[in-house]
Amino acid sequence: DAGVIQSPRHEVTEMGQEVTLRCKPISGHNSLFWYRQTMMRGLELLIYFNNNVPIDDSGMPEDRFSAKMPNASFSTLKIQPSEPRDSAVYFCASSFDDYGYTFGSGTRLTVV
Amino acid sequence: KQEVTQIPAALSVPEGENLVLNCSFTDSAIYNLQWFRQDPGKGLTSLLLIQSSQREQTSGRLNASLDKSSGRSTLYIAASQPGDSATYLCAVGYNTDKLIFGTGTRLQVFP
Repeated sequence: DAGVIQSPRHEVTEMGQEVTLRCKPISGHNSLFWYRQTMMRGLELLIYFNNNVPIDDSGMPEDRFSAKMPNASFSTLKIQPSEPRDSAVYFCASSFDDYGYTFGSGTRLTVV
Repeated sequence: KQEVTQIPAALSVPEGENLVLNCSFTDSAIYNLQWFRQDPGKGLTSLLLIQSSQREQTSGRLNASLDKSSGRSTLYIAASQPGDSATYLCAVGYNTDKLIFGTGTRLQVFP
């Protein structure tokens, strides 16, 4: 199993541009999570899906952030327009019931 | 509010010492608790998962215990090595779909 796959690994963009982060969960996992990690705030849950349905998006900072999961093998997190304060490492994780989380390697986003 | 706290925030020890990292949580109605390791600039690697019905889990030199009634978990690292240097994160699951992370303990083991 290749694990949770995220792309790109690094993204540098200018303020105001649209950014799309991608995630492929582990096959058979039924929950998918997007986290953001910063030095100041640690790991924050942004949104999670269960069986491709968004369950809780209360952690999404504002309307500039959106996430989709069109099928069981793919999810995107989009920021439009991006701002410098969005700079962080974004992690995707997947899980199956109570069997714990598996994290991807993350996308390091820098907005200049 | 469901909060997870880890103590100490940082720890520096010589190689060979046995270590205890602490995690406390405010809401004891947990589903499970997971310990992760994060190396600088890397993702999170799962170390141990303890279900709410379990008291401890072991993997090699690592042992994690869970005491729901007191809202605590400890990660015990035996015979520490420089390769153990990383940040250790405790994460508490309050249902099957949500995990709340502590702020981590940054461990440095020097030769």
